[in-house]
Amino acid sequence: DSGVTQTPKHLITATGQRVTLRCSPRSGDLSVYWYQQSLDQGLQFLIQYYNGEERAKGNILERFSAQQFPDLHSELNLSSLELGDSALYFCASSDTINSAGYNEQFFGPGTRLTVL
Amino acid sequence: AQTVTQSQPEMSVQEAETVTLSCTYDTSENNYYLFWYKQPPSRQMILVIRQEAYKQQNATENRFSVNFQKAAKSFSLKISDSQLGDTAMYFCAFMNPGGGNQFYFGTGTSLTVIP
Repeated sequence: DSGVTQTPKHLITATGQRVTLRCSPRSGDLSVYWYQQSLDQGLQFLIQYYNGEERAKGNILERFSAQQFPDLHSELNLSSLELGDSALYFCASSDTINSAGYNEQFFGPGTRLTVL
Repeated sequence: AQTVTQSQPEMSVQEAETVTLSCTYDTSENNYYLFWYKQPPSRQMILVIRQEAYKQQNATENRFSVNFQKAAKSFSLKISDSQLGDTAMYFCAFMNPGGGNQFYFGTGTSLTVIP
């Protein structure tokens, strides 16, 4: 158990709908990262938040948005859903630089989104 | 932009044998980290091994070791004495701490260990 929680575990919805995925980082971690894993693909970085502020952006669609709240949990909002948005969405959190010199990321179990 | 390429979509190995998974990457950075992650059917991302680019010595973690060739931008994973529990997707990943700290992942290699 990484200490990162994601809800819901599974989500089934229809095209055109809007959903919200939730991530609670490890206690004390200030950074949250969102990744998308489509079928048979590696994880693609979407966006990073640090202590409530957007820190970095990857290939995130304009229909997608995220935020990090004062209690450090984060939400990823996906709107106008399309069939191609079906994927596993991972959240990861990190805090201070570890002994190896980088911010180690701890992955949550993911949310599987199915768009019908 | 950083790219990570895994050219072996699927591989199989007999139990107790050795297998090597390939990974190449492209970057203009000098300070970076490389990783191998394991994703079993549970879909959890599990860190297998990490290599710092500034270290010449190849990383080793029990049955897992890497062959890091910085000039060739190659980072292969060797699994010795393969076990049934090693059956999983394996992802190679790149991180540049000075470039935002996010991971860049390859498309993965599906490894099956045959009893």
